[in-house]
Amino acid sequence: DAKTTQPPSMDCAEGRAANLPCNHSTISGNEYVYWYRQIHSQGPQYIIHGLKNNETNEMASLIITEDRKSSTLILPHATLRDTAVYYCIVGESYNTDKLIFGTGTRLQVFP
Amino acid sequence: DTGVSQDPRHKITKRGQNVTFRCDPISEHNRLYWYRQTLGQGPEFLTYFQNEAQLEKSRLLSDRFSAERPKGSFSTLEIQRTEQGDSAMYLCASGQGRYEQYFGPGTRLTVT
Repeated sequence: DAKTTQPPSMDCAEGRAANLPCNHSTISGNEYVYWYRQIHSQGPQYIIHGLKNNETNEMASLIITEDRKSSTLILPHATLRDTAVYYCIVGESYNTDKLIFGTGTRLQVFP
Repeated sequence: DTGVSQDPRHKITKRGQNVTFRCDPISEHNRLYWYRQTLGQGPEFLTYFQNEAQLEKSRLLSDRFSAERPKGSFSTLEIQRTEQGDSAMYLCASGQGRYEQYFGPGTRLTVT
């Protein structure tokens, strides 16, 4: 079973920041938080990962709480092409033998 | 494009028939994964290979399912005696055992 809990859906206006929350209260010390997204009719796409520090790349920022029990994925300027299902996944970094997906958050970006 | 490719993209078959799907990973990736996704659900792990060795199989992978990765390159997933419950998107991913898995576009199977 997935170790994460996410809201089923969210809306965001184009150009605004999209903040997607994820709860992972049972995360263990050596487990990372990964985010993937799946645009309709495509395979999932890696976005970002983190352990305890906040992370940023060209796609998004990841904010992890100090107790590591929750995190937020931030898309700073959402576009219509960011409409997708976003999955928050917890797993070990050195042995990513499988990803355990939940049902994710369906983000709808509207004009 | 040097991403993960899957063939065919769509397959319609009658119940009881056998089907085989192919996945070509990114060439330098030593790990290859198979997932299955049904409507409204996230992908579910089926099995994975490191080079040619199949290291883990999910309990979802019944004895009607078999996967191979000869010579550690491409992989095939075969389903024997298909059932309507096998209708799903079959996703392949490759990686190097670090942070990212790179997914292909999937093969959509419809069993009638």
